Amino acid sequence: GNSVTQMEGPVTLSEEAFLTINCTYTATGYPSLFWYVQYPGEGLQLLLKATKADDKGSNKGFEATYRKETTSFHLEKGSVQVSDSAVYFCALSATSGTYKYIFGTGTRLKVLA
Amino acid sequence: GAGVSQSPSNKVTEKGKDVELRCDPISGHTALYWYRQSLGQGLEFLIYFQGNSAPDKSGLPSDRFSAERTGGSVSTLTIQRTQQEDSAVYLCASSLVGGRVTDTQYFGPGTRLTVL
Repeated sequence: GNSVTQMEGPVTLSEEAFLTINCTYTATGYPSLFWYVQYPGEGLQLLLKATKADDKGSNKGFEATYRKETTSFHLEKGSVQVSDSAVYFCALSATSGTYKYIFGTGTRLKVLA
Repeated sequence: GAGVSQSPSNKVTEKGKDVELRCDPISGHTALYWYRQSLGQGLEFLIYFQGNSAPDKSGLPSDRFSAERTGGSVSTLTIQRTQQEDSAVYLCASSLVGGRVTDTQYFGPGTRLTVL
């Protein structure tokens, strides 16, 4: 079946530090991959996506590359800000049927000034 | 345009009561999804609508849960005889077409349900 595994949080970083949040997946076929972010008290917002192998999604300084050989979609940012503090969810779209999303458990990021 | 909206934003109910949660998708989006976000369970898929039909109800946890969609737009998730384990944030999402692996789903702010 389809599944997503994210690194456990919380992750605590100082401002301007480099961020990596690991995400690996198991899926049949060729899923699309997504990162969503949930800021405190808000709903899920799409951060970036990639729909095929070797695609790189990017937005707001965040990047993730769809690596089929390692079944990974790690989220990176070169210099985090306090405003990046949130919960980050990795997700894939099922490759058949209803294409529902399968989510990871989420990784909480806290950035300190 | 307007995003996905959900109401109420918060709902507190007593065990055994019925509740209805509403979702207004983005105008023109034909696909609609319900998910549940609970502590210890993460985000779980509940049901998918394509237009007014629900081809995938596989995530509904019990027969106390049901959902409908009318006019290809508004959807209502109903939980009968609520239990404490139903306490969670219920999220609605919509996408333009549905049925494609590349679809992006846009999420509403959620309804936080607390069952006392």
